Amino acid sequence: GESVGLHLPTLSVQEGDNSIINCAYSNSASDYFIWYKQESGKGPQFIIDIRSNMDKRQGQRVTVLLNKTVKHLSLQIAATQPGDSAVYFCAENGDFYNQGGKLIFGQGTELSVKP
Amino acid sequence: SAVISQKPSRDICQRGTSLTIQCQVDSQVTMMFWYRQQPGQSLTLIATANQGSEATYESGFVIDKFPISRPNLTFSTLTVSNMSPEDSSIYLCSGGQGEDTEAFFGQGTRLTVV
Repeated sequence: GESVGLHLPTLSVQEGDNSIINCAYSNSASDYFIWYKQESGKGPQFIIDIRSNMDKRQGQRVTVLLNKTVKHLSLQIAATQPGDSAVYFCAENGDFYNQGGKLIFGQGTELSVKP
Repeated sequence: SAVISQKPSRDICQRGTSLTIQCQVDSQVTMMFWYRQQPGQSLTLIATANQGSEATYESGFVIDKFPISRPNLTFSTLTVSNMSPEDSSIYLCSGGQGEDTEAFFGQGTRLTVV
């Protein structure tokens, strides 16, 4: 079936470096994507979203890039900090016309930031 | 953004029993959903909680096992019925304003069935 997957299950970076977390999606009908951060023992926390009519969106220290040609999504975190250590999930809305808000989650990447 | 609270935050239950998880949102939301997350894994959608009508279940999930209620726009419950150890998981409630809008999550309910 269609799914969202991640290239790297784990990522270790030095504090202050930039982090890039990748995600591949297979449903070409998806037109809305979200990145979530999940810390241990907590629910997923919204980071940033992007719609398919955009290829880039920036937030505070984070940038999401969308390449619809190859169905690829990435999250870039600038100047990674220890507090960024968590599992990051991408999610897509799939082909859920008129079903309002359902999300398919990717595998997840665990980001570990070394001080 | 909406704040979503779940109760209980964790529980240990005997097999064969049932547990009802409550989800309370601090503001009205159009959509509410229930997800399951096995330890170390991603989230899987169980169902969409529909206000005033039966929930819409995803493939592999049935109402007899996971009955859901949603009496209003701020509250929903998920019951895990006739539990077995395979039901041990984290159950998450989420809410949002619908298509192409961010969904917010509760902190989850960690269920262990013994």
